[in-house]
Amino acid sequence: KAGVTQTPRYLIKTRGQQVTLSCSPISGHRSVSWYQQTPGQGLQFLFEYFSETQRNKGNFPGRFSGRQFSNSRSEMNVSTLELGDSALYLCASSLGTVGNYEQYFGPGTRLTVT
Amino acid sequence: QKEVEQNSGPLSVPEGAIASLNCTYSDRGSQSFFWYRQYSGKSPELIMFIYSNGDKEDGRFTAQLNKASQYVSLLIRDSQPSDSATYLCAVTNSSASKIIFGSGTRLSIRP
Repeated sequence: KAGVTQTPRYLIKTRGQQVTLSCSPISGHRSVSWYQQTPGQGLQFLFEYFSETQRNKGNFPGRFSGRQFSNSRSEMNVSTLELGDSALYLCASSLGTVGNYEQYFGPGTRLTVT
Repeated sequence: QKEVEQNSGPLSVPEGAIASLNCTYSDRGSQSFFWYRQYSGKSPELIMFIYSNGDKEDGRFTAQLNKASQYVSLLIRDSQPSDSATYLCAVTNSSASKIIFGSGTRLSIRP
């Protein structure tokens, strides 16, 4: 069974630009969660989507948004990029809602903002 | 108090010995607990998912959960150099609306 895939794997953007990251969950998985990982803050929850609906959102500004499509694929968008947005963005999928099922991570997208 | 606390390490263990990693959490209503392994430059890999009090074993790994004391531990038997990584403990909040990660314990297995 194919794992979680994320595209692109690496991205370099300039301050003020916007970026869209994509995540394809494991086949059959309906929940997709997004995380930001930085050396200083560790792994932080951004949001979770289940059946095309955002279930939960972490403590991030409104510049961070996402959506999920009917095939469970998800996208995350960050607008007006700041230097502090440089991080590894991880997507994770699970059969059902967070906490009730095992959650598997994709390889991540490394975003660098200059 | 952090929601999920782990000793950052590094924890150095000789090859073949038992490595013991600990994690405490603050939300008494937490129901689900995870252990992930993360190699440098890679994404976290799920090792264990536990939600009942007691022990859960999978190969060389044993997770121990004690909800009354609010801690969860991971034991790695017969440690191998390939076990050298950062181990992340994760806990759901009481409403199961999100998973909260600890900052991780860096484990080093010395030959």
